Amino acid sequence: GQQLNQSPQSMFIQEGEDVSMNCTSSSIFNTWLWYKQDPGEGPVLLIALYKAGELTSNGRLTAQFGITRKDSFLNISASIPSDVGIYFCAGPRGSTLGRLYFGRGTQLTVWP
Amino acid sequence: DGGITQSPKYLFRKEGQNVTLSCEQNLNHDAMYWYRQDPGQGLRLIYYSQIVNDFQKGDIAEGYSVSREKKESFPLTVTSAQKNPTAFYLCASSRTQETQYFGPGTRLLVL
Repeated sequence: GQQLNQSPQSMFIQEGEDVSMNCTSSSIFNTWLWYKQDPGEGPVLLIALYKAGELTSNGRLTAQFGITRKDSFLNISASIPSDVGIYFCAGPRGSTLGRLYFGRGTQLTVWP
Repeated sequence: DGGITQSPKYLFRKEGQNVTLSCEQNLNHDAMYWYRQDPGQGLRLIYYSQIVNDFQKGDIAEGYSVSREKKESFPLTVTSAQKNPTAFYLCASSRTQETQYFGPGTRLLVL
């Protein structure tokens, strides 16, 4: 079954606005990954987080690894039309090596 | 260019037919994965392989089969036993066991 709870499910924002989304798990993760998927394409890795409390930026994107190790957040500042897509959180669970669990995704729509 | 390629981009299957989706990578990654994506759902793991000639079932392996005869290739066969095969199929690979990189996907449609 689904291991990660990602919210919101969808967002409709105006260009220039900031965006926040989050991912929670009932289990501890030792890594959090954030991917973006453009329509009809494969997901692309945006940010990887490896340490509890870690805050990492990639341009206008900032992601944080929650202190409890059960959550992560992704923020996008000053959104632009090309930010449109589905954003997924993902992480491995414990000793289950090689298996990533994915959230259901946040569908982001940016109005000009 | 290094990367993951999937072919074809679109594939049509007739009832009762087996079809094979191709996935090739030239990243020298040891591990390769197949996921299925349905609208509004996250990615679900079908099969994965951490080394040549070895693979494991994921969460939804029924109706699918794979082979890993070469490090670069991990083809997925959707058999006639898969009753609802219409979906977007994604292949991924990784050097580590966590940071996976995805191909462009194959959309499978049933006629």
